[in-house]
Amino acid sequence: DTAVSQTPKYLVTQMGNDKSIKCEQNLGHDTMYWYKQDSKKFLKIMFSYNNKELIINETVPNRFSPKSPDKAHLNLHINSLELGDSAVYFCASSQAPGSNYGYTFGSGTRLTVV
Amino acid sequence: GNSVTQMEGPVTLSEEAFLTINCTYTATGYPSLFWYVQYPGEGLQLLLKATKADDKGSNKGFEATYRKETTSFHLEKGSVQVSDSAVYFCALKTSYDKVIFGPGTSLSVIP
Repeated sequence: DTAVSQTPKYLVTQMGNDKSIKCEQNLGHDTMYWYKQDSKKFLKIMFSYNNKELIINETVPNRFSPKSPDKAHLNLHINSLELGDSAVYFCASSQAPGSNYGYTFGSGTRLTVV
Repeated sequence: GNSVTQMEGPVTLSEEAFLTINCTYTATGYPSLFWYVQYPGEGLQLLLKATKADDKGSNKGFEATYRKETTSFHLEKGSVQVSDSAVYFCALKTSYDKVIFGPGTSLSVIP
């Protein structure tokens, strides 16, 4: 069983479109995250939810909107896609805010905007 | 602000060579420190961690010691294998659940 699963794995779309990436974790963790990895492998946190409540919201364009229907799911919706949104997006989860157990990552969604 | 610096890659080593990847950090308070590994086409995996000064994290032959006096957490392995080829990320976690990653160091091990 995959612990943190993201869909789709690859997403190619045109500028201006709206798309969603889904994430689910079956670890019973309380906290979930979205990270963006650029072409140089640099990782930047975007959002964090704890038990459906937003706790970290970095400086991200408001075209990006996370949604957490329950603590096992954290989806990312992106409106009006731009070329600069092309990246790999990773979902992750951890046991609880402040815990030192580290994160469990999904395998990523490679988004290409053309 | 909090930050993590790693040695620039790519690093290329022959099989069975000794590996060191340097990592230094800047943080307020007392961070926990982590090393993550990313194999090609995959997500990050937690490799090892240390939560307080002088702790040594170890896993799969890799080790790192939390050095508060030098604000460092260097990753070492005595004998690398081709299967260790990956990107390695040093990371820290201080305040309420925000992990900051270093820029990553790419390692290639050749037979």
